[in-house]
Amino acid sequence: AQSVTQPDIHITVSEGASLELRCNYSYGATPYLFWYVQSPGQGLQLLLKYFSGDTLVQGIKGFEAEFKRSQSSFNLRKPSVHWSDAAEYFCAVGVAQGGSEKLVFGKGTKLTVNP
Amino acid sequence: DAGITQSPRYKITETGRQVTLMCHQTWSHSYMFWYRQDLGHGLRLIYYSAAADITDKGEVPDGYVVSRSKTENFPLTLESATRSQTSVYFCASSDRLNTEAFFGQGTRLTVV
Repeated sequence: AQSVTQPDIHITVSEGASLELRCNYSYGATPYLFWYVQSPGQGLQLLLKYFSGDTLVQGIKGFEAEFKRSQSSFNLRKPSVHWSDAAEYFCAVGVAQGGSEKLVFGKGTKLTVNP
Repeated sequence: DAGITQSPRYKITETGRQVTLMCHQTWSHSYMFWYRQDLGHGLRLIYYSAAADITDKGEVPDGYVVSRSKTENFPLTLESATRSQTSVYFCASSDRLNTEAFFGQGTRLTVV
């Protein structure tokens, strides 16, 4: 079935540690790929996106993500996490197939940052 | 004001009642989406629209109806509300499928 999978429901890291959030998708063609962040009680904000070109993309707030076609993955990384990064992170794919064009999200990964 | 707005922000309704959630965007974006956010399920796509008068079902469309007679508006109607439709609903719009989607602040709906 077509889907977006974020295997980690909840991740806890210490401030200053590195971070990697995983995302896999299962669509036939390479979709448009996004990472969004949601702070408590807020809407969603785009961190970064990929749809072609360099497979390592830079985003806001020091985040980056790497597209790996062979693994159908688009993992989000940050070298040094700040306490303000505590939030929920969503991977999303934009899919255009058979006349249907939609934006589908994973279930999210909640990030807790310990001081 | 430019942007995407949802109304109401909070709504309590009774089981069986019809309720409509409004979504308005000022950018003339082609795409609009409705999601519901529930603990453990992330954001699930209810309905989406690629242009005025074009709508399509998402992952969880049962019990919902949408229309898009104007590009800027995309109302979501619960025809006969059920407790399982208690959720936070987000509307979003984007110019193209490969560009950023902008989200409203959400509507917290409680069905009692």
